[in-house]
Amino acid sequence: EVQLVQSGAEVKEPGESLKISCKGSGYSFANFGGQWIGWMRQTPGKGLEWMGIIYPARSDIRYSPSFQGQVTISVDNSISTAFLQWSSLRASDTAMYYCAKGYHGMDVWGQGTTVTVSS
Amino acid sequence: DIQMTQSPSSLSASVGDRVTITCRASQGISNLLAWYQQKPGKVPKLLIHTASTLHSGVPSRFSGSGSGTDFTLTISSLQPEDAATYYCQKYDNAPCTFGQGTKLEIK
Repeated sequence: EVQLVQSGAEVKEPGESLKISCKGSGYSFANFGGQWIGWMRQTPGKGLEWMGIIYPARSDIRYSPSFQGQVTISVDNSISTAFLQWSSLRASDTAMYYCAKGYHGMDVWGQGTTVTVSS
Repeated sequence: DIQMTQSPSSLSASVGDRVTITCRASQGISNLLAWYQQKPGKVPKLLIHTASTLHSGVPSRFSGSGSGTDFTLTISSLQPEDAATYYCQKYDNAPCTFGQGTKLEIK
């Protein structure tokens, strides 16, 4: 079964750093078949925001202008895992974060990681 | 950047109704558009990609059409389990923006 499994919920204070993960299984994570891994943010009662995307085979990364410089997307193909990280969290980063994979649309989604930033 | 605008933002319909949701891109995106369904507290699910191709396992009452800037998602005969929020997403180039969502309620 193709799956993306995300790391668990996080509670952090403003200014702290954080790295969350998304591990793929059941498919060739770093193949050259064009499977991108994307990250999306969703705040309570709000819609989906596209943050950025990485192509594991080439570590090709594209960011939304809204998130460029605010987060870093990376991948470790040796463990079939993509990452989303912050160097200095803000309260406004409190949200649910999803990873998803696909080429024509995102066909497999992780279960989501809740990030709470509060003092 | 290309903006994606869905209409309506919300709607209420009865079981058996035909429902149409529209998504408009501010510039042409060919047919590189996907539709997703998200139920409360759940992960989004891919319904349609390349504007009109039904994703595996999705009921045939769902269909998509359009190309360029104007797209539609149609549910031919609404079922109770279709209550959800629906999102369109462009994926021609980054940023792969989502529409703001359409919340569908069952009367």
